[in-house]
Amino acid sequence: SQQGEEDPQALSIQEGENATMNCSYKTSINNLQWYRQNSGRGLVHLILIRSNEREKHSGRLRVTLDTSKKSSSLLITASRAADTASYFCATDPSAGGTSYGKLTFGQGTILTVHP
Amino acid sequence: EAGVAQSPRYKIIEKRQSVAFWCNPISGHATLYWYQQILGQGPKLLIQFQNNGVVDDSQLPKDRFSAERLKGVDSTLKIQPAKLEDSAVYLCASSLPVPPYEQYFGPGTRLTVT
Repeated sequence: SQQGEEDPQALSIQEGENATMNCSYKTSINNLQWYRQNSGRGLVHLILIRSNEREKHSGRLRVTLDTSKKSSSLLITASRAADTASYFCATDPSAGGTSYGKLTFGQGTILTVHP
Repeated sequence: EAGVAQSPRYKIIEKRQSVAFWCNPISGHATLYWYQQILGQGPKLLIQFQNNGVVDDSQLPKDRFSAERLKGVDSTLKIQPAKLEDSAVYLCASSLPVPPYEQYFGPGTRLTVT
């Protein structure tokens, strides 16, 4: 079953603009992760945010997590054509402080960045 | 550091035939995962190994899918007999056996069942 649901399903922007993708999930989580997938590099881990964290940064990426709303957002600032890819959120549904690495992926957001 | 290796990269078979996929994880990664990714969807976990043992195979269709990880390193995933709906990309991932289990994915095997 797919726990995470990304929104929007597709996003098209110009280079230099910011891109925001949202993810909603249903059950309690230990952590939430974002992955990028393109034909050239396969599925690549971008960033992980734990359930007790609210915001995390990594380079041009900013992730927020709202456990009360069971939602997360990924912001890519100053986007580049090379950011064109599908982006997936994945939840580790283990609660109570225990993680077993059993990820459940959402359907993904297809991001297209036009030069 | 060498990444996760998978073979073959592509496979075309007819329904009711059998097929096997191979995965070699990153050295030192005791945890290994097989995912199925149908076109337009996110990956779905089929089975998770910790060394030789199965941690979770709740979403593995056991009537036709099987997986093994001999000696706690390489792994094979088999489908017998294949159905049309098995057409997908099969991804192998590995991680260290400790939280948060950051997973590294291989390039995948694209299976087409005709």
